[in-house]
Amino acid sequence: ETGVTQSPTHLIKTRGQQVTLRCSSQSGHNTVSWYQQALGQGPQFIFQYYREEENGRGNFPPRFSGLQFPNYSSELNVNALELDDSALYLCASTTSGTGGLGYTFGSGTRLTVV
Amino acid sequence: GQQVMQIPQYQHVQEGEDFTTYCNSSTTLSNIQWYKQRPGGHPVFLIQLVKSGEVKKQKRLTFQFGEAKKNSSLHITATQTTDVGTYFCGREDGGSQGNLIFGKGTKLSVKP
Repeated sequence: ETGVTQSPTHLIKTRGQQVTLRCSSQSGHNTVSWYQQALGQGPQFIFQYYREEENGRGNFPPRFSGLQFPNYSSELNVNALELDDSALYLCASTTSGTGGLGYTFGSGTRLTVV
Repeated sequence: GQQVMQIPQYQHVQEGEDFTTYCNSSTTLSNIQWYKQRPGGHPVFLIQLVKSGEVKKQKRLTFQFGEAKKNSSLHITATQTTDVGTYFCGREDGGSQGNLIFGKGTKLSVKP
């Protein structure tokens, strides 16, 4: 079974630009969550998608938006990038009724805003 | 949802010593999950605890869930250099398969 894959692995953007990050969930997983992890900090919950609908959102502004596709893959879009958006963006997938299997994380996209 | 509090923030041990990290919540938790993140890596799921007073073991790792379901601990016996990393606890906000909210983690370094 394949794990969670994210692309790209690294990205450099200029302040004010827009970025799209992509995530393919683990086979059999229908729920995808996105996290922002600043250096030395814990992952901060951005939002979660289940059956192509947003299923919860953390304390992030509307310029952070997402999509989930019928194959359960997902995108994270960030508009009007700010310097503080520089972080590791992690995608995690799981399935409803995990039975204690937790979330499977991808290796992340390292975004640098200059 | 409220963040869970983890202590200590950092722990430096000599190889062979034991290590414990604690996770505390002001509200009752439906479950608690533990993850390990190696330096430069991503979080990897270790275990989920659901029942009051639950104790689970994975080789040298022992996980406990408090009787009141407001705290949890991870204990590593006889640490090895491979245990290096940051250990996070996470609570599911809104019940099962809800949004996973992490603590700030405990960073463990092990001196050989």
